[in-house]
Amino acid sequence: DGGITQSPKYLFRKEGQNVTLSCEQNLNHDAMYWYRQDPGQGLRLIYYSQIVNDFQKGDIAEGYSVSREKKESFPLTVTSAQKNPTAFYLCASSIRGTRGSNEKLLFGSGTQLSVL
Amino acid sequence: AQKVTQAQTEISVVEKEDVTLDCVYETRDTTYYLFWYKQPPSGELVFLIRRNSFDEQNEISGRYSWNFQKSTSSFNFTITASQVVDSAVYFCALSGTYGGSQGNLIFGKGTKLSVKP
Repeated sequence: DGGITQSPKYLFRKEGQNVTLSCEQNLNHDAMYWYRQDPGQGLRLIYYSQIVNDFQKGDIAEGYSVSREKKESFPLTVTSAQKNPTAFYLCASSIRGTRGSNEKLLFGSGTQLSVL
Repeated sequence: AQKVTQAQTEISVVEKEDVTLDCVYETRDTTYYLFWYKQPPSGELVFLIRRNSFDEQNEISGRYSWNFQKSTSSFNFTITASQVVDSAVYFCALSGTYGGSQGNLIFGKGTKLSVKP
């Protein structure tokens, strides 16, 4: 079955540590996205990628980094520069992801990151 | 700027009641798209509907219906005869060319719906 796989489901970060969240899709989608969700808040865009080897900052990119070396993979690293990393992180993909797109996003099941 | 407002933070109903979730949006685009997503306790967002700005026809899908009114910039979602399985957080979202998120989806803060048996 095609879909988006996020791992791990729960992740703990020590102060000063970088952690990487995995996102893999087998839908052959060109575009992938990372969103952050805080309690009682909507989703905020961290980074997105429309094609391999290219990605763009979203609204809250500071303290995060990404790579897109393969079409199916879009890992997110939460760096030590992100001072408030505790949140629920959702990865999504869409077929093309053009600007102002009408495409629906398909989401993974998320990773809950907490700080020890 | 683009903005989506879901004024209802939480709603609690008893099973079989009808419930309407409100969504008001702001955009300067003439062409834009509106979406509703459902987030059950498992965490994954599930796509429910997409509507473009030129199609104001209301839509019904089973117990779900959507009322799009450009005159009031609203895209409300009604669940008829609610069921416990409808308990979730529901997000309204907007996409267009201008404004934040580089033309990607802008989400409201969500409405948490609890349906009690």
